[in-house]
Amino acid sequence: QLQLHESGPGLVKPSETLSLTCSVSGDSMTESDYYWGWIRQSPGKGLAWIGSIENSGSAYYNPSLKSRVIISVDTSKKQFSLKVSSVTAADTSVYYCVRHVREAYYIESNGYYYDYFDYWGQGTLVTVSS
Amino acid sequence: DIQLTQSPSILSASVGQRVTITCRTSQGISGYLAWYQQKPGQAPKLLIYGGSTLQSGVPSRFRGSGSGTEFTLTITSLQPEDFATYYCQEGSFGGGTRVEMK
Repeated sequence: QLQLHESGPGLVKPSETLSLTCSVSGDSMTESDYYWGWIRQSPGKGLAWIGSIENSGSAYYNPSLKSRVIISVDTSKKQFSLKVSSVTAADTSVYYCVRHVREAYYIESNGYYYDYFDYWGQGTLVTVSS
Repeated sequence: DIQLTQSPSILSASVGQRVTITCRTSQGISGYLAWYQQKPGQAPKLLIYGGSTLQSGVPSRFRGSGSGTEFTLTITSLQPEDFATYYCQEGSFGGGTRVEMK
């Protein structure tokens, strides 16, 4: 059974960088064709996908956060990480790491994708405050 | 961006009742919607993906359907453990529907 576990500081000062790590256990990151992602949940804004990364290291991000976010992966350590720079109080949220599944489908020979998140960490609350 | 609007935001129901949650999208989508269940203090749990495919281990009383811009999650007979908040997702997430005890 795959398990994901977030770790990192629970308190970050405004304008600093939020850094979280997700440790993956119970399955191999490299033997599967999945993405690894981050989602956050704040009381005022609900659930929001932050970004995801492939084992190859190719990452893609929510356009609303792209300028401040970096996601990296270290398959040898079975970990992937999130950094959000220049944080403000609006970044206060519970942060979840997830396994991100991307499935292909075709309409008249044109290829498309749909996404869902099948495994979630328990979540970690990060508060931005001085 | 496609917006997902769930209704109702709060639903009061009794055990054994049939419950339907609606997710409307701002434009027509593929139909490959996902549904999640979240209980207080827990991470969301995937219930349905691809519009109607039940995730492994999820009871068959959960059903997903719909097309175009309107999709539904139906719980055919509400059980005590089903009182929770439900979210739809296709790219972005809906705002959630809290199912509470009547």
